[in-house]
Amino acid sequence: KQEVTQIPAALSVPEGENLVLNCSFTDSAIYNLQWFRQDPGKGLTSLLLIQSSQREQTSGRLNASLDKSSGRSTLYIAASQPGDSATYLCAVSGSQGNLIFGKGTKLSVKP
Amino acid sequence: DGGITQSPKYLFRKEGQNVTLSCEQNLNHDAMYWYRQDPGQGLRLIYYSQIVNDFQKGDIAEGYSVSREKKESFPLTVTSAQKNPTAFYLCASSRPGAGYSYNEQFFGPGTRLTVL
Repeated sequence: KQEVTQIPAALSVPEGENLVLNCSFTDSAIYNLQWFRQDPGKGLTSLLLIQSSQREQTSGRLNASLDKSSGRSTLYIAASQPGDSATYLCAVSGSQGNLIFGKGTKLSVKP
Repeated sequence: DGGITQSPKYLFRKEGQNVTLSCEQNLNHDAMYWYRQDPGQGLRLIYYSQIVNDFQKGDIAEGYSVSREKKESFPLTVTSAQKNPTAFYLCASSRPGAGYSYNEQFFGPGTRLTVL
């Protein structure tokens, strides 16, 4: 059964720092991997989608990498801002398109 | 404005009541999903539907029911058989890609259900 783990569970950094969030999964037979952001009490906002054949995707200050063989993905956030404070969720896609989620990393960026 | 809407935003249920959560999308997506989110846990799949008039159980389907009569709509009913329904419910949709791949999944704003 696929399991997704995110480390660390919480992270606090000063504004301007570059940071890395980690995601690992136990079964490398995934179709894609998606990173989301969730603000308190809100739905999920899709940040990046990496197809299984890709190694990385970039959007603005965000860069996500995927190493399927080792079951790992990282989300790199450059020059962090207080507005980046949120919970970041990693999810991998099964054969039916459903997503299997990690428990998330709660990020706090201090001004 | 394309997107996914969920209603109501907050819902209160008394013991023994069935309640229905609405999910509507105008993205022309074939696949729709319902997830449940509890504090300290990841999202868990309740039901999903890849085409109209067809749906499958997810990991935690007991005590829930769904219908998919229209492409745009995928309502979720929380029945009295669900013993611990207090949670945040999220609806999502996606468009199947080439082969067995799936495209980006988009989420609605969620419904918070509380049992009184």
